[in-house]
Amino acid sequence: GAVVSQHPSWVICKSGTSVKIECRSLDFQATTMFWYRQFPKQSLMLMATSNEGSKATYEQGVEKDKFLINHASLTLSTLTVTSAHPEDSSFYICSAPLGPGNTIYFGEGSWLTVV
Amino acid sequence: DQQVKQNSPSLSVQEGRISILNCDYTNSMFDYFLWYKKYPAEGPTFLISISSIKDKNEDGRFTVFLNKSAKHLSLHIVPSQPGDSAVYFCAATGGATNKLIFGTGTLLAVQP
Repeated sequence: GAVVSQHPSWVICKSGTSVKIECRSLDFQATTMFWYRQFPKQSLMLMATSNEGSKATYEQGVEKDKFLINHASLTLSTLTVTSAHPEDSSFYICSAPLGPGNTIYFGEGSWLTVV
Repeated sequence: DQQVKQNSPSLSVQEGRISILNCDYTNSMFDYFLWYKKYPAEGPTFLISISSIKDKNEDGRFTVFLNKSAKHLSLHIVPSQPGDSAVYFCAATGGATNKLIFGTGTLLAVQP
């Protein structure tokens, strides 16, 4: 069964609005979660590392004011795409490490379309 | 700078034969490697991993081989099944964080 769950699976929003995507660890605590985005036929690109109780760490080139990450509890991280534009349309995926060796498990992904 | 590379964007294999997916990396700090399977519009599914202290790890039909000196790893699937058709990503991590760096993926098509 799933160990990491994302919601919503897909969302369509108007340009200029904000969208929140949730990532939950199921039955385990995750002090760290990761957010990726994937454009069609491209690799998964790490956007940021979400740290419980502290600020997220963003990868180079990722706008932290645009992609707001909040890791308020040990089982929930949220990604908010602020003032979304069509170029933000993408597949957003979260992940969390679990188990021996900290194998990283992924959520189902969230497809964002900005119109 | 692509630290993890999968040079074959696609691979076609007959059902029952072996599928070999390759992955190269450049960062010598990587010490843990993973393979993921991904269907369109779904999150990646973990398949198998290997630590840098090993050169082989086997799990059912899936075997991963690691050649540290060549900075190369490969995923063998045998026998291949049509349900294995998907995009396969290799990923690497190392150092102080759990950040995963992904390759560009290889689309595997297993023909019945």
